[in-house]
Amino acid sequence: EVQLVESGGGLVQPGVSLRLSCAASGFTFSNYAMSWVRQAPGKGLVWVSGISDSGGTTFYADSVKGRFTISRDNSKNTLYLQMNNLRAEDTAVYYCAKDLGATVWGLGTLVTVSS
Amino acid sequence: QSVLTQPPSASGTPGQRVTVSCSGSNSNIGKNPVNWYQQLPGTAPKLLISVNNQRPSGVPDRFSGSKSGTSASLAISGLQSEDEADYYCAAWDDSLNGRVFGTGTKVTVL
Repeated sequence: EVQLVESGGGLVQPGVSLRLSCAASGFTFSNYAMSWVRQAPGKGLVWVSGISDSGGTTFYADSVKGRFTISRDNSKNTLYLQMNNLRAEDTAVYYCAKDLGATVWGLGTLVTVSS
Repeated sequence: QSVLTQPPSASGTPGQRVTVSCSGSNSNIGKNPVNWYQQLPGTAPKLLISVNNQRPSGVPDRFSGSKSGTSASLAISGLQSEDEADYYCAAWDDSLNGRVFGTGTKVTVL
C-alpha cells in the first residue's frame, strides 16, 4: 500500500525557516516525481512545488519561488520542503503527493506562521 | 491564485445527477489532461478521476469525467449522502510551468 507521511510542521514566527519531510513507502520512490500542495484554513488547494524522479528538475509556484526549496533523498525514500523567510500567508496544511499529478496524498502537516 | 474556475457550490437530492464544471485556458486544460479530487470533510484529498476520464481502482463508476476544449466536467450520477464533499479539478499549466487547481466546488446532498 502506498503511504506518504509528512512531518516537520509547527508554530513558527514570521521570518524563520522550517523544513518539512515526507516519508514514502509502498512504491519505488525513485521512479516517481513528487509534489507539495498546501491548503490554508478554510480555503482551497494550492500547488506549491514539484520535483522530478531524479531530483534534477524542480518546479515552483510564483508565491514561493526564491523562498522554498524542494529536494529529495532517493536512498531514504524521503521528500523535503525547505521553507525560508516564512510569512503569515504561508500558514496552511502542507500535503506531499505522489507524482506531478498528485495521485496519492499524505495526511498533511500543519504549518502556522504567527507572532 | 487559482486559474481554473469552478462554481462554488452544487447540490442535488439522493439519486440525482450532479455536474461540476471547470473552466481553464489554452495553456492548461486546452493542452493537458485534467485530474479531479474529492476532499471529504476533515480529510486529505483523494484522486477521483485521472487523465480526464479514468477512474482509479476503487472509485465507483457513478463518478465520470470529460473534457472539451478548455473546459472539463465531473459528473456524479446516483448521488449518495457520502458524496457530500469538496471537489477540485487540476491540470498542468504550460505558461506557469506548474500545476494549477480549480477554485473548488462544495457538493451538498439535500
